Amino acid sequence: SQTIHQWPATLVQPVGSPLSLECTVEGTSNPNLYWYRQAAGRGLQLLFYSVGIGQISSEVPQNLSASRPQDRQFILSSKKLLLSDSGFYLCAWRWALNTEAFFGQGTRLTVV
Amino acid sequence: AQKITQTQPGMFVQEKEAVTLDCTYDTSDPSYGLFWYKQPSSGEMIFLIYQGSYDQQNATEGRYSLNFQKARKSANLVISASQLGDSAMYFCAMGPSDYKLSFGAGTTVTVRA
Repeated sequence: SQTIHQWPATLVQPVGSPLSLECTVEGTSNPNLYWYRQAAGRGLQLLFYSVGIGQISSEVPQNLSASRPQDRQFILSSKKLLLSDSGFYLCAWRWALNTEAFFGQGTRLTVV
Repeated sequence: AQKITQTQPGMFVQEKEAVTLDCTYDTSDPSYGLFWYKQPSSGEMIFLIYQGSYDQQNATEGRYSLNFQKARKSANLVISASQLGDSAMYFCAMGPSDYKLSFGAGTTVTVRA
């Protein structure tokens, strides 16, 4: 069966520090991968998605970036965090257009 | 550009009654999928139901049904026989043929005993 791992679960980082969140999927190949951010009590904002290794589509211009160095690995990064980067970050994968997305447990990031 | 709109920020429903959550979308892609997710206070995202743009019948999954009106570009979720455990935030999402998957702002449902 397929599983998605996302870590860490919580993170407190100072303003200006770098960020690296990792997401890996097991049990499938060539998944479509997604990064979302959710502010408290709000909707999911699509940040990046990837349909293959090295293929990244960016939805919102900001100081975040994403990379997909391996088929089942998706990394969200920032060189310098801002207070506004605080939120709940969710990684997801899905196999095809007519299939649902499966989500990781999320990372609660607080920038102080 | 695609857009998903959920106009009801919060709703209250009595236990055992039905509730309808509204979702409208906008896309020029003829092929797309519509999804509903539930997010309890724990934060996990739970998939509820899927409807394809070419599906002729409305999707149903247990107590969940999707009222799909393609011409109106709406995909409302109906939860029948509400239970206390249905209290959560509900999101509508749309995925067109470019594999992008976007979500609406969500609707918070509170079930009263």
